Amino acid sequence: AQTVTQSQPEMSVQEAETVTLSCTYDTSESDYYLFWYKQPPSRQMILVIRQEAYKQQNATENRFSVNFQKAAKSFSLKISDSQLGDAAMYFCAYRSAVQFYFGTGTSLTVIP
Amino acid sequence: DTGVSQNPRHKITKRGQNVTFRCDPISEHNRLYWYRQTLGQGPEFLTYFQNEAQLEKSRLLSDRFSAERPKGSFSTLEIQRTEQGDSAMYLCASSFGRTAGGPWEQYFGPGTRLTVT
Repeated sequence: AQTVTQSQPEMSVQEAETVTLSCTYDTSESDYYLFWYKQPPSRQMILVIRQEAYKQQNATENRFSVNFQKAAKSFSLKISDSQLGDAAMYFCAYRSAVQFYFGTGTSLTVIP
Repeated sequence: DTGVSQNPRHKITKRGQNVTFRCDPISEHNRLYWYRQTLGQGPEFLTYFQNEAQLEKSRLLSDRFSAERPKGSFSTLEIQRTEQGDSAMYLCASSFGRTAGGPWEQYFGPGTRLTVT
């Protein structure tokens, strides 16, 4: 069964600094998709970035980028130039044929 | 607003009562998912529809839970004989995908928070 592990329940970063959130997953599949979602307090979950497993190039979306290590089954999220609005719960997710599997989340605090 | 909507946003019910939640996906999305999220946890998959067909159900979904998507548009999730352990946020998400492959990014609704007293 696929599992997604986020080993950092909480992280904090100084405004304008860079932070990296970790995610590992377990799968026997070769084709899959990985995602990072952001869930601000009392607000709905929104997609931050996605990565196709068949692509070697790491995905980038503005200040957000990933470090995808397929062999190590690692998918970390780097947030550069952190802003106060980045404070949220971040979930790593894995998509198999049908289902999405989510990690337990990392709560990110941005310190002014 | 053309995003995913869910109603009601909050529901307080007494143990043993039935509750029904509604999800309206993004209009062109053919896939619809229900999740349950408890405090400090990520969303847990409950069930999935492609158009009106319910294609997969989690083992988490007991017989007291039923979901429908009668015309391939909105969906309802009903919980019968609610228990205190059913208290959670129920999330709906939709996506579009015509082929087996593809990322199928999910777009989430705001959720319905259920409290069973």
